[in-house]
Amino acid sequence: DAKTTQPPSMDCAEGRAANLPCNHSTISGNEYVYWYRQIHSQGPQYIIHGLKNNETNEMASLIITEDRKSSTLILPHATLRDTAVYYCIVRAAGNNRKLIWGLGTSLAVNP
Amino acid sequence: GAVVSQHPSRVICKSGTSVKIECRSLDFQATTMFWYRQFPKKSLMLMATSNEGSKATYEQGVEKDKFLINHASLTLSTLTVTSAHPEDSSFYICSARALELYEQYFGPGTRLTVT
Repeated sequence: DAKTTQPPSMDCAEGRAANLPCNHSTISGNEYVYWYRQIHSQGPQYIIHGLKNNETNEMASLIITEDRKSSTLILPHATLRDTAVYYCIVRAAGNNRKLIWGLGTSLAVNP
Repeated sequence: GAVVSQHPSRVICKSGTSVKIECRSLDFQATTMFWYRQFPKKSLMLMATSNEGSKATYEQGVEKDKFLINHASLTLSTLTVTSAHPEDSSFYICSARALELYEQYFGPGTRLTVT
């Protein structure tokens, strides 16, 4: 599975959009981009995933570049409860394919 | 989204004893379950993958006789840490996935402290 690169930390003001980048330049054609987050001392929470097209759900939007070498997770109106570590993971389809976790981006939403 | 529970959320045990952690999928049938451990300020490390009714597949470096995994039903998997030592103190997290779901759903984690 392809590796990902994320900035170690970011800050965002409450109410503003948080844009979290992820580079995955070695992604293969059958690999999806997944985003999870982990609030301190809790299990990870699924946010969103995509293959080629941009995706949006009630939590966030995922923008994937046309060459698929990078993506951005957008939290449109960040709240204090969005403070967490955000993980970008690429993974091929298939039931037993593992999620390989990096160190993610520690997002601090400030009042 | 789907709900996964873990029990207990916290456990303190003495060195040399065994501890069992339960992971349940509450509203879906989990054909595959995963067990992770996480040390402070570190990322999640996959320990093993189990499919219902078959033996778990352990990651390199994880002792299968020390970390016993049972996935006897489509809604329950257990991890038993046998003869626990202080270095086994960690945050243990399970996740579950159903055949028809792309994503894994995670439990809230279990904080194990071995004294």
